[in-house]
Amino acid sequence: AQSVTQPDIHITVSEGASLELRCNYSYGATPYLFWYVQSPGQGLQLLLKYFSGDTLVQGIKGFEAEFKRSQSSFNLRKPSVHWSDAAEYFCAVGANFGNEKLTFGTGTRLTIIP
Amino acid sequence: EADIYQTPRYLVIGTGKKITLECSQTMGHDKMYWYQQDPGMELHLIHYSYGVNSTEKGDLSSESTVSRIRTEHFPLTLESARPSHTSQYLCATSEGGWTYNEQFFGPGTRLTVL
Repeated sequence: AQSVTQPDIHITVSEGASLELRCNYSYGATPYLFWYVQSPGQGLQLLLKYFSGDTLVQGIKGFEAEFKRSQSSFNLRKPSVHWSDAAEYFCAVGANFGNEKLTFGTGTRLTIIP
Repeated sequence: EADIYQTPRYLVIGTGKKITLECSQTMGHDKMYWYQQDPGMELHLIHYSYGVNSTEKGDLSSESTVSRIRTEHFPLTLESARPSHTSQYLCATSEGGWTYNEQFFGPGTRLTVL
């Protein structure tokens, strides 16, 4: 069975600073990888996804993520954060072909300070 | 406009009551999912459906039941609510077919059982 680890429960960064959120997965084959963002009281919005091909994927809101098979990682990055980026970020792995069952990490809460 | 609707958004109810959480979609998607999310925790899949008259249990055992009589609707029912059912419930959809498709999430229903 697949699993996802997000080692950072809470991260605080200054507005305008760069950001990297870590995600490690466990799965025997090539996984389908996702990053979702959840604002307070809201559902999840897909930031980006990796299915195959180029290991550096671009997403919405200026986010990108890099798939590194050797490290079983899919870290999320943004060069300059905005106050509106404050939210909960979830990494997810999908591995069951046909029904898109997702396994989520525990999330990283991002706080932005002025 | 294609969207996913969940009602009610917030529900506070007493122990022993029967409740139904509604999820409807205008995405035109065949597959639908229910996730349970406790505060500060990851999402756990509790039910999913490939299409009309198809329902399956997810990875997390749940006392809730679901039905899929119409493509657009995927209601979740608790016959007798208990405080342990207090959680946020998120509905999601994805396209049908045999390729891997991303999931789109509704805004969620926050349930509190007293």
